[in-house]
Amino acid sequence: NFMLTQPHSVSESPGKTVTISCTRSSGSIASNYVQWYQQRPGSAPTTVIYEDNQRPSGVPDRFSGSIDSSSNSASLTISGLKTEDEADYYCQSYDSSSWVFGGGTKLTVL
Amino acid sequence: QVTLRESGPALVKPTQTLTLTCTFSGFSLSTSGMCVSWIRQPPGKALEWLALIDWDDDKYYSTSLKTRLTISKDTSKNQVVLTMTNMDPVDTATYYCARLTRNTYDYWGQGTLVTVSS
Repeated sequence: NFMLTQPHSVSESPGKTVTISCTRSSGSIASNYVQWYQQRPGSAPTTVIYEDNQRPSGVPDRFSGSIDSSSNSASLTISGLKTEDEADYYCQSYDSSSWVFGGGTKLTVL
Repeated sequence: QVTLRESGPALVKPTQTLTLTCTFSGFSLSTSGMCVSWIRQPPGKALEWLALIDWDDDKYYSTSLKTRLTISKDTSKNQVVLTMTNMDPVDTATYYCARLTRNTYDYWGQGTLVTVSS
């Protein structure tokens, strides 16, 4: 099985842009879709990006996703940061009948 | 609308078997492409995928836990059941069930906290 590695934490100011990375340990990042979930304290996760770069209805276009085959990683970018974006973010992908989550990144908006 | 709800014991003793039930509505697990998973999250830690069952009754398990897990479904009751044997304090976590469609866990239950302690 592969692993997805995320930074433990990131912080940025309101109105700025932040990017959270998710690096796949083995196998190609492009071989299976990557999803991103937002989890606020005490709540279940919700999807903010699916299939690498698709936004569910209701998710603002400040959220975007991408993949980079050269670094074998996916990225979640949040622009125009708001205090309400403060949360944990998890990437997730799949391979060989196994669904894998990254270790999560705590986003602080200060 | 789609909803999922987990139920089961809040406290189990070490070595006991945990049985959790996910009761869902708003979709049918007999519809092609539908899947339900169990995912857990120890306090303050990351999400961990445990198991998945699909519309065709195919079952998939976490490599590290597969000897302890069994997932099953009752389509008529709209339920998915997970059993985990030989519980240990390290299994203390919030256990979620979630629907998987189009590669995405698009709906989650609110989670149920299971504490393993004597």
